[in-house]
Amino acid sequence: AQTVTQSQPEMSVQEAETVTLSCTYDTSESDYYLFWYKQPPSRQMILVIRQEAYKQQNATENRFSVNFQKAAKSFSLKISDSQLGDAAMYFCALSRGNTDKLIFGTGTRLQVFP
Amino acid sequence: GAVVSQHPSRVICKSGTSVKIECRSLDFQATTMFWYRQFPKQSLMLMATSNEGSKATYEQGVEKDKFLINHASLTLSTLTVTSAHPEDSSFYICSAEPRDYFSNEQFFGPGTRLTVL
Repeated sequence: AQTVTQSQPEMSVQEAETVTLSCTYDTSESDYYLFWYKQPPSRQMILVIRQEAYKQQNATENRFSVNFQKAAKSFSLKISDSQLGDAAMYFCALSRGNTDKLIFGTGTRLQVFP
Repeated sequence: GAVVSQHPSRVICKSGTSVKIECRSLDFQATTMFWYRQFPKQSLMLMATSNEGSKATYEQGVEKDKFLINHASLTLSTLTVTSAHPEDSSFYICSAEPRDYFSNEQFFGPGTRLTVL
């Protein structure tokens, strides 16, 4: 069975500071993808960043980067220079290579304080 | 970017009636669409996977006769909640995977809030 665990229900960060959201997962597949999605109050799911399991290099998208530790099955998201607009629910998700289902974690609510 | 729309955005219906929610990929073709349900302050739970031209695959515990899914074209999937009851009230979200993508990336619709009185 595939599982995704987010152990931080809530996190907070000061504007312009850096915050890291944790995610661990479990899968027996060798080919899979990992995602971080953002869900703001509008509830529109937005892709933040994607990581292919076969790539050793950590993905980066502007202020967002991941720390992908394949052996430890860990996939944390680092948000640098946090902005008020980063406040949202963040979901970590796993998708196996052969199927397209996304398995979501329980989410982390991020608050950003001015 | 790839855009997915949902209609309606909100619907209120009486108990016992049926409600249809549409999910459209606006600027790409999607062989696979997904339907999720999200309760307040909870994560997304996959209900079913919809493939164009074939029957939907339902997740365990989801009543296929209750939640009818039709994926009639490469840009449209519909979810019909039949004989709706108050416990069906929820936020329903669809997503679509472009047919020419190979990264398992899904693009999400804005969601539909269903309230059953």
